[in-house]
Amino acid sequence: ILNVEQSPQSLHVQEGDSTNFTCSFPSSNFYALHWYRWETAKSPEALFVMTLNGDEKKKGRISATLNTKEGYSYLYIKGSQPEDSATYLCAFQTGGFKTIFGAGTRLFVKA
Amino acid sequence: DAGVIQSPRHEVTEMGQEVTLRCKPISGHNSLFWYRQTMMRGLELLIYFNNNVPIDDSGMPEDRFSAKMPNASFSTLKIQPSEPRDSAVYFCASSSRSTGSEAFFGQGTRLTVV
Repeated sequence: ILNVEQSPQSLHVQEGDSTNFTCSFPSSNFYALHWYRWETAKSPEALFVMTLNGDEKKKGRISATLNTKEGYSYLYIKGSQPEDSATYLCAFQTGGFKTIFGAGTRLFVKA
Repeated sequence: DAGVIQSPRHEVTEMGQEVTLRCKPISGHNSLFWYRQTMMRGLELLIYFNNNVPIDDSGMPEDRFSAKMPNASFSTLKIQPSEPRDSAVYFCASSSRSTGSEAFFGQGTRLTVV
């Protein structure tokens, strides 16, 4: 059974705080690891896709790292802003192209 | 490109009726995914196609659900007969290996079965 776990389930931070979330995934049959940002009443929006062990990606204040050997990825947000409030999903993609989503981490940033 | 287009955006139907959800992937993408989002189970993969061929339908909840992709630019997800527990938001997404397999989601179809 392929299982993708994200922690924490939810997170409340103050504007300006830096924060990070974890995604754990199977370390076998790995093809890619995706991070998505999902705002309420919208569709998930791709943030990063990483394929190689040690990959690091950055987009503005958001960055992500990947460790395929131990099966985890971190997403970092530096200096959180209220507009960062959303659910952050990670998705594990197998060599057979199957994609399994985690349950997400719901971030609330208070002004 | 207009992105992944789903129709209808909202569907309300009576229990027992047939429901057909439609998806037009991004032109040039060769993989298409159908997802269902519920409060209880989050985002679940139902089925995905590669080059119009169903690769894995193990996420399809039961025989009442079926999906087709007759060509590279169109896919349907059909529920017959529909039941109240099928009420959810159904998302379609497409991706291309040439773009690093990033998936682009449609706006979703909110289905309510009464």
